[in-house]
Amino acid sequence: EVQLVGSGGGLVQPGGSLRLSCAASGFTFSSYAMTWVRQAPGKGLEWVSHISGSGGTIEYADSVKGRFTISRDNSKNTLYLQMNSLRAEDTAVYYCAIYTYGNGFDYWGQGTLVTVSS
Amino acid sequence: EIVLTQSPGTLSLSPGERATLSCRAGQSVSSSYLAWYQQKPGQAPRLLIYGASSRATGIPDRFSGSGSGTDFTLTISRLEPEDFAVYYCQQYGSSPLTFGGGTKVEIK
Repeated sequence: EVQLVGSGGGLVQPGGSLRLSCAASGFTFSSYAMTWVRQAPGKGLEWVSHISGSGGTIEYADSVKGRFTISRDNSKNTLYLQMNSLRAEDTAVYYCAIYTYGNGFDYWGQGTLVTVSS
Repeated sequence: EIVLTQSPGTLSLSPGERATLSCRAGQSVSSSYLAWYQQKPGQAPRLLIYGASSRATGIPDRFSGSGSGTDFTLTISRLEPEDFAVYYCQQYGSSPLTFGGGTKVEIK
């Protein structure tokens, strides 16, 4: 069974940093691209970033480019999102998901809440 | 950036009725890389349809997708109680990947 378990969310002050993790199991992690999607309270979905299975191809939304860094450790079956220079508008539930290029976002984790506030 | 516009914003229907949701793209979606997701309160989204018309694993056949280019449709043939939720379309053919604003299907 595919499982994606997100962690690392919490309350952080504006300008602060946080690292999210997504632990994967039930599939060959290194064979799949992975993605982060966020959802501000009461709002719609926003794609944040994705990374290929090898880690060699990475893309970011303009809203986070230069502040967020996606990475993966295939030996630990874990996806990461390093978030720096956080702003109030980064407050959201962050979901990790498997990204199959022909199929969209197949499986999603349960989400982890990030709150940026003083 | 491909902007996706979903309509209507809210659809009020009764169980057993047919639901038709629209997703219009500001430019052509390459290779029909258009997906639909369902999200219930407090839950993660779930993939329903990919490639504009292919059902994801385990999705009932009352859900169907159609369209190409800039106009796409999600149809739920007969609404079941568990289908009342928010539905999002997404294009994943060109970066940045984008989502529509969502259509809420509520019980009338």
